[in-house]
Amino acid sequence: AQSVSQHNHHVILSEAASLELGCNYSYGGTVNLFWYVQYPGQHLQLLLKYFSGDPLVKGIKGFEAEFIKSKFSFNLRKPSVQWSDTAEYFCAVNRNSGNTPLVFGKGTRLSVIA
Amino acid sequence: DGGITQSPKYLFRKEGQNVTLSCEQNLNHDAMYWYRQDPGQGLRLIYYSQIVNDFQKGDIAEGYSVSREKKESFPLTVTSAQKNPTAFYLCASRPQGRENSPLHFGNGTRLTVT
Repeated sequence: AQSVSQHNHHVILSEAASLELGCNYSYGGTVNLFWYVQYPGQHLQLLLKYFSGDPLVKGIKGFEAEFIKSKFSFNLRKPSVQWSDTAEYFCAVNRNSGNTPLVFGKGTRLSVIA
Repeated sequence: DGGITQSPKYLFRKEGQNVTLSCEQNLNHDAMYWYRQDPGQGLRLIYYSQIVNDFQKGDIAEGYSVSREKKESFPLTVTSAQKNPTAFYLCASRPQGRENSPLHFGNGTRLTVT
């Protein structure tokens, strides 16, 4: 079965620090990769996705992620975080065939302090 | 505006009672999903349906049941057999056969069983 690992449970950063959240998945075939964000009290929103083409994808609010196939990784990055980035971040993966559902990681809680 | 409506937002039940969570979408999506979110566990798939009158078990289907009599509706029943039903439940949808499409999420229902 597919699985998704997010390495950090809780990350605390100061404003303007750089962010990298790790995500690794277990499936070896062609996959679709997603990062979702959940701000406090709000519903899940899509940050960015990758399914083909340039492995460096840019999303909303200055986030980007790089797909490294050899490492089965899809790490999320942002050069300079803001207090408003405080949220929970979820990596999700599914196979690119067979109408497979998304499998989510356990999430990483990001706290940005002034 | 198109979207997914989950109701109610908060639900309280006594142990031993079945309870049904509503999920309605007007996005004309064929595929619908139920996830359960617990702190530190991410989102775990309960059931999903790719077409009317058909559904499949997810990773944690025990103690839950669903129906898909209409395209727009995918209610989830939490039965008394579910050993730990207190959680945040999320309904999602996406177009059928579009594995690289992101999921659209509802705002969730927080169920508390005492």
